[in-house]
Amino acid sequence: AQSVTQLGSHVSVSEGALVLLRCNYSSSVPPYLFWYVQYPNQGLQLLLKYTSAATLVKGINGFEAEFKKSETSFHLTKPSAHMSDAAEYFCAVSGLGFNKFYFGSGTKLNVKP
Amino acid sequence: NAGVTQTPKFQVLKTGQSMTLQCAQDMNHNSMYWYRQDPGMGLRLIYYSASEGTTDKGEVPNGYNVSRLNKREFSLRLESAAPSQTSVYFCASIDRGNSNQPQHFGDGTRLSIL
Repeated sequence: AQSVTQLGSHVSVSEGALVLLRCNYSSSVPPYLFWYVQYPNQGLQLLLKYTSAATLVKGINGFEAEFKKSETSFHLTKPSAHMSDAAEYFCAVSGLGFNKFYFGSGTKLNVKP
Repeated sequence: NAGVTQTPKFQVLKTGQSMTLQCAQDMNHNSMYWYRQDPGMGLRLIYYSASEGTTDKGEVPNGYNVSRLNKREFSLRLESAAPSQTSVYFCASIDRGNSNQPQHFGDGTRLSIL
């Protein structure tokens, strides 16, 4: 079975600082990988996804993630945090066919002024 | 502005009561999903429907049943609610044939069981 591990349930950065949210996956076959963002009392919105094309994936709102097969990682980064980035972020993995999605436990990002 | 619509948004039940959560999407997606979200545990898949007429168990199916009524609608039923089923429930849909499209989520149903 596939699984996703997100290191750090809470991350706090200053506005303008680098954002780094960590995600490691466990999969026996090359997966599809996703990062979602959730704002309070809302559903999840897709930030970006990796589907076996370029290993560096650019998403919305200035976020990007790099697929590293050797490290089984898909960490999310943003060069400069904005106050509006404060939210909860989820990493997810799916196999071919999108039959099942497996989510990490989430990382809450706090952005300090 | 369409997408995935879940009803109700909030519900309080007593232990042992039954309830059906409704989900409808208007994007002509073939696959639909039900998740529950609990603090510190992310989203866990309850059931999914790869296409109209088919349903399969996810990670945590016990205590739930689903019906894929047609291509648009996918309902989740709690036959005898238990306090452990207190959670936020999300419905999602995707067009499995198009990997360029994201999974779309509803805004959730917040369910409390006393």
